[in-house]
Amino acid sequence: QKEVEQNSGPLSVPEGAIASLNCTYSDRGSQSFFWYRQYSGKSPELIMFIYSNGDKEDGRFTAQLNKASQYVSLLIRDSQPSDSATYLCAVMDSSGAGSYQLTFGKGTKLSVIP
Amino acid sequence: NAGVTQTPKFRILKIGQSMTLQCTQDMNHNYMYWYRQDPGMGLKLIYYSVGAGITDKGEVPNGYNVSRSTTEDFPLRLELAAPSQTSVYFCASSYSAGAGGNSPLHFGNGTRLTVT
Repeated sequence: QKEVEQNSGPLSVPEGAIASLNCTYSDRGSQSFFWYRQYSGKSPELIMFIYSNGDKEDGRFTAQLNKASQYVSLLIRDSQPSDSATYLCAVMDSSGAGSYQLTFGKGTKLSVIP
Repeated sequence: NAGVTQTPKFRILKIGQSMTLQCTQDMNHNYMYWYRQDPGMGLKLIYYSVGAGITDKGEVPNGYNVSRSTTEDFPLRLELAAPSQTSVYFCASSYSAGAGGNSPLHFGNGTRLTVT
């Protein structure tokens, strides 16, 4: 059973601070990693994806991947109240024959305090 | 630009009833997926399809059936509803299997189903 683990939170940070969201995964062969944001009562939306070890930056968001430690994180700089949402970590399972299934973590609820 | 459209938005079923959750996409995507999300939980894959006429089981397929007769439509069927199927159901599509930046998952707005 492939697993993706996240701290459920809630994680509270003051406005303008850096929010750090963490995720670990069990399948050492996983190749692709994704962060989705989900506002309450809404559908998930893709924020970042990362394939290679290291950092990937997109605006205020930075995804970090360490395949040796099976660890992926999302940093949100200059956090805004509008960033308050649940963040879902997802890992791509390339289980052969082109199936490509995403395994999602339970999500971390982030609250940015004005 | 409709994207992925799910109907209905809400439904209450009695135990043992059946229903079909509709999903259609107008982006000519090959890949379509059905997920369920229970409170405080991540999304669990029920079924997916890599193209018309091809479907396969995901992580939690029991109690559900799907069909993919056209590229656009991917309905999910519940034959004998049970309380354990109370959940929010999301349909999603992508152009290819990568699910990455050049082929992200596009989600519908979800169907909130209660079985009592």
